[in-house]
This record gives sequence, structure tokens and C-alpha cells, in this order.
Amino acid sequence: DQQVKQNSPSLSVQEGRISILNCDYTNSMFDYFLWYKKYPAEGPTFLISISSIKDKNEDGRFTVFLNKSAKHLSLHIVPSQPGDSAVYFCAASFFHGGANNLFFGTGTRLTVIP
Amino acid sequence: EAQVTQNPRYLITVTGKKLTVTCSQNMNHEYMSWYRQDPGLGLRQIYYSMNVEVTDKGDVPEGYKVSRKEKRNFPLILESPSPNQTSLYFCASSSIRISAYEQYFGPGTRLTVT
Repeated sequence: DQQVKQNSPSLSVQEGRISILNCDYTNSMFDYFLWYKKYPAEGPTFLISISSIKDKNEDGRFTVFLNKSAKHLSLHIVPSQPGDSAVYFCAASFFHGGANNLFFGTGTRLTVIP
Repeated sequence: EAQVTQNPRYLITVTGKKLTVTCSQNMNHEYMSWYRQDPGLGLRQIYYSMNVEVTDKGDVPEGYKVSRKEKRNFPLILESPSPNQTSLYFCASSSIRISAYEQYFGPGTRLTVT
């Protein structure tokens, strides 16, 4: 059962505009959320994260919003650049089994059109 | 350079022929993990390790073995590979002391079992 869901497999955005990637989760125990970015033939790289005690975290052009009541988070990229074209994975975690293991979504492929 | 390395990067094998995918990290991380990525399913955790000689099952451990005899190495063993283990495999590591959530990923190993 997929506990973290990314319902949009792909998204295309014009350069300079805002990209909004969405993620939903089902497990209310999750207390930490992350976004990873993946280029072809490379492993995912950490992008930005947010704790469940916050509703927003910003890092340069990237902002993550968390709506705990809706079990929803989103990643905003402003302005979008062609180099942002990649697959973005949402991930969530809580402490269980002695570890903070990550549960990943299925990914959204972002294409930024020059 | 801080990195996670995996070998081989590409492997084609036949059903039942034992294989090992190696993973090594040079960041002195305590936590290491193996994932597989499949279309429409995202990244799913196979096994993880909190430290030397401490390993545990993830979400999809069937058909896999791991060992953690040294802190830097975490090999993934397929004793009798089957076609349903054809996938893209990623090794990851993180520092429990600094941030258990922010994992560093290797470049991936694409395995095909015929």
C-alpha cells in the first residue's frame, strides 16, 4: 500500500514560471518530509525538507508547504529554470523499527521549457 | 569527495545465478540502505542497516540478503535471482548523528535478469 502518493507523473512549465509539485500521504505518524531530485543515470539528491511542526520551509527558489490536516505537501519552484528538469520524489518518515526510514512517492517528471 | 559508490553499474544475468552488488560510502555514516526503483512504484526499501552487524528488513526484502561487516560497505546479495528482480537499485547512506533523514544516494545499478 502506497503511503506516499504523487498523482501527477509529469509536469511541464515554461522557464521563469512557477512549478508546483504535489504529494499526498496517508500515515498520520509521519513527522518529517523531504523532496529529492533525480537526474537520468544519477542517484536521487536531497533538495529540501520540512518538519511536521512547521508549515513552510524556504531555500532559495524552493519552498515546501505542509498542510497536515489535509495530509498534503507541495514543492514550489520559482522561477523555474531548464536545469530544474528532473524527476522529483516526495518522501516521508517517522521513527519506527529503530530507524527513520524513508517512504517514497512514485515521482513527478518536471520539464521546464526554455 | 564524499560519495556513495556502487558496482557494477549495469548487470545482465540469468535466472538462478548468484550475484552481489557492492556499495561503499566514505562519509563514516552509520545508516545504510538499499532501494529498488520500478516504474509506477517509486523507490521501495529492501534492507537497511543502523550500524555494523545491525541489519533489518525494509518493505520488499524477499529474495535479497545483506551484510554489514564493515561500516563503509553494505553489499546486496541475490542468491537466486529471478526476472521479477529486474530493476534499478540504489544504495544510500546517512549520518544518524547529523541528520538521519537526509540520505546520500549512489548512482544506481541497473540489473536485468533473463
